[in-house]
Amino acid sequence: EAQVTQNPRYLITVTGKKLTVTCSQNMNHEYMSWYRQDPGLGLRQIYYSMNVEVTDKGDVPEGYKVSRKEKRNFPLILESPSPNQTSLYFCASRKDQQGVNEKLFFGSGTQLSVL
Amino acid sequence: AQSVSQHNHHVILSEAASLELGCNYSYGGTVNLFWYVQYPGQHLQLLLKYFSGDPLVKGIKGFEAEFIKSKFSFNLRKPSVQWSDTAEYFCAVNAGTNAGKSTFGDGTTLTVKP
Repeated sequence: EAQVTQNPRYLITVTGKKLTVTCSQNMNHEYMSWYRQDPGLGLRQIYYSMNVEVTDKGDVPEGYKVSRKEKRNFPLILESPSPNQTSLYFCASRKDQQGVNEKLFFGSGTQLSVL
Repeated sequence: AQSVSQHNHHVILSEAASLELGCNYSYGGTVNLFWYVQYPGQHLQLLLKYFSGDPLVKGIKGFEAEFIKSKFSFNLRKPSVQWSDTAEYFCAVNAGTNAGKSTFGDGTTLTVKP
């Protein structure tokens, strides 16, 4: 089944403790992206990747890192999480890096709470 | 820079009522427009999209949207809503100049009363 898989589904952590949220897609998609969803603010793009080893900042990249060492995986790294990073995170992918008219496939989300 | 504005944050309707959710974008060039839906506890999924051709696009579950270039709008409509349409709806835009950037609106929560 074609899907985008995120782990974990829920995560509670403390300020300053490094964490990684994994994202994997099995569709051989070139493009992957991370969003955070906050009440009243919708989805805001954190980072995106057009292909392996090609990443770029979205609208809210501060406090986050990403890597794209292989096509299927696009982990989101919080080196020193802070409470303002408490949010619902979604990973998404699409087939072509230039496919601006293609739909995004979304993962099920990761609810992160930073205490 | 591209941006998206959704007019209503929360809409409450009774079953069989008609629905129209507003979406306006700001970008002067070619745009690709999307409506996504997020049912409670689920991930986002595509309802419909527009990138060229007929400005009236039809999507899944009886939804449609009309692209009006002169008004920079892409409003979502459904003639008769059902309880199962209760969800959050997001309008999104991808401008042609930066294929990597996807901009979403704030979302509209639709509650349909049975």
